[in-house]
Amino acid sequence: DIQMTQSPSSLSASVGDRVTITCQASQDISNYLNWYQQKPGKAPKLLIYDASNLETGVPSRFSGSGSGTDFTFTISSLQPEDIATYYCQQYDNLPPTFGQGTKLEIK
Amino acid sequence: QVQLQESGPGLVKPSQTLSLTCTVSGGSISSGSYYWSWIRQPAGKGLEWIGRIYTSGSTNYNPSLKSRVTISVDTSKNQFSLKLSSVTAADTAVYYCARASIDCSGGSCYSEDYWGQGTLVTVSS
Repeated sequence: DIQMTQSPSSLSASVGDRVTITCQASQDISNYLNWYQQKPGKAPKLLIYDASNLETGVPSRFSGSGSGTDFTFTISSLQPEDIATYYCQQYDNLPPTFGQGTKLEIK
Repeated sequence: QVQLQESGPGLVKPSQTLSLTCTVSGGSISSGSYYWSWIRQPAGKGLEWIGRIYTSGSTNYNPSLKSRVTISVDTSKNQFSLKLSSVTAADTAVYYCARASIDCSGGSCYSEDYWGQGTLVTVSS
């Protein structure tokens, strides 16, 4: 299985801050990477697909970049409703695998 | 707007078989443009992909669970199902069903974009 390593595992930031999460794959996955947002008690929500494409209806403050093994997820200006856990997921190889998650909190 | 809803027992005894059903509404499960997945999440932990089924009946399973998992589809009921045999406490988790498009021309593909709300299954005697 391809291992996905996210960092940091938790993050505290203020409203309006720029927030960055990284995800590293254990092997080249091209751009077959998703970013999901999961709020407590809810199902994950797809935010970014193909590493950098914004899913329909997702605010433009969310963005993603990277290819190969190194990827970045950014919130340009943190909003209170962005408090959640964020997961990267590779879908280049079966089985699709997720990072361990980054829990984002408001300072 | 497609919606997915998991259903099934919330409590399963060790060594027995966990059985869940996902009912799809707002769209036909028979559409060849999608596949249907199961994903689980133990409390306070990360996400684990269990497997998927195409409308054709073709399946892919996580190798870590393959010997115990069966995913099937019932197009007449617009449902797909998960069976996980010989369960232990380690199988206690919230189980999600989800949908992914296989048509890459219209946006995301091979990425679960619609999910059910999830159902908690506890394995305990």
